[in-house]
Amino acid sequence: GQNIDQPTEMTATEGAIVQINCTYQTSGFNGLFWYQQHAGEAPTFLSYNVLDGLEEKGRFSSFLSRSKGYSYLLLKELQMKDSASYLCAVRDNYGQNFVFGPGTRLSVLP
Amino acid sequence: EPEVTQTPSHQVTQMGQEVILRCVPISNHLYFYWYRQILGQKVEFLVSFYNNEISEKSEIFDDQFSVERPDGSNFTLKIRSTKLEDSAMYFCASSEGTGSIYEQYFGPGTRLTVT
Repeated sequence: GQNIDQPTEMTATEGAIVQINCTYQTSGFNGLFWYQQHAGEAPTFLSYNVLDGLEEKGRFSSFLSRSKGYSYLLLKELQMKDSASYLCAVRDNYGQNFVFGPGTRLSVLP
Repeated sequence: EPEVTQTPSHQVTQMGQEVILRCVPISNHLYFYWYRQILGQKVEFLVSFYNNEISEKSEIFDDQFSVERPDGSNFTLKIRSTKLEDSAMYFCASSEGTGSIYEQYFGPGTRLTVT
């Protein structure tokens, strides 16, 4: 079966650091992707992990542990524009569709 | 920067009517996808398409749905007889390849409202 879990909502303060967790149980694994989605808009790609460890892209970093079925997205120096939903998506077989988690709605407060 | 485009941005239709949602994937991409997102819910996979045929489809993609690449640029999703529960945002996506490094680029979506 396919199951991806994320916290529903998180709140953080401008300038702070926030970590959004994702746990997954899928029938296969071929990469974990993080997308940002502002309300009413399309998901936009942030980061991906295939191997265990940390990937850093500017203010965003993503970590993966395949043995634990766990990933997190780390956002540093939060800005108001980072208020959005963050979607964890697993590619569960060889190169086809994504299985998306429910998304975490992040609110950044001044 | 190249992007996926979708038309229309909003579509209102009556139950039982046919609708066609249109997408223009990024020009050098070979793999195309449709997803839907019911308001307040997660993004759900519908279908993937490669080399002019469906490569994978979900349980949601029943006989009421079909996809087509009628020419070299467009990729369409047809719903033959819409139901109230088809009301959702429909996203088209495309990717260069299907290996783990290939991200999918999403279009802005078409909001379908079935009344």
